[in-house]
Amino acid sequence: GAVVSQHPSRVICKSGTSVKIECRSLDFQATTMFWYRQFPKQSLMLMATSNEGSKATYEQGVEKDKFLINHASLTLSTLTVTSAHPEDSSFYICSARDRGAANTGELFFGEGSRLTVL
Amino acid sequence: AQKITQTQPGMFVQEKEAVTLDCTYDTSDQSYGLFWYKQPSSGEMIFLIYQGSYDEQNATEGRYSLNFQKARKSANLVISASQLGDSAMYFCAMRGERGYQKVTFGIGTKLQVIP
Repeated sequence: GAVVSQHPSRVICKSGTSVKIECRSLDFQATTMFWYRQFPKQSLMLMATSNEGSKATYEQGVEKDKFLINHASLTLSTLTVTSAHPEDSSFYICSARDRGAANTGELFFGEGSRLTVL
Repeated sequence: AQKITQTQPGMFVQEKEAVTLDCTYDTSDQSYGLFWYKQPSSGEMIFLIYQGSYDEQNATEGRYSLNFQKARKSANLVISASQLGDSAMYFCAMRGERGYQKVTFGIGTKLQVIP
């Protein structure tokens, strides 16, 4: 299947700093990528839909100035958590849809990034 | 709006036995897709199986099969011949009528395979 790479897998930062997480589709082009957040023992909650060359679409309740998303190319989307606070500590996971798999809508996921804000 | 319901927070199964993980869904779309993903303790999401709403046959992928009952709006995952490596969280998910629409996930079922 298609490969999505996410980096870093783990990051620990001090409160008030910003953290950038990268999501790359390695062997396919992804016009759309999705960023999810997962709290311990809970499901994946969609944060935003990242569209190549345009602004991201954020879900209700997600602060777009807090979680900056950039989708500069067909293979890269980044999520920047700005001025991180301990309540931002979570597992962030990106996913992408292969344009060639549009009929099924199958999502390919990155490995996830565990953010801990001290 | 789409909704996925998984009512089994946790399940146990004996190694080599079969297990069924329940999933019901609700949508107003005529065309939709259903997925099952596996999430081991390491965190990555692994795609297991897909069922389109117009597919007449139940999807199968190796030891995984999807028991699709459209009238009941259920899409249960059946794992045959369970292995210890099957211990993980399992998420049922669905997408709407158009392929690029967002995918909605259920809350998951934790499966533990007992030796």
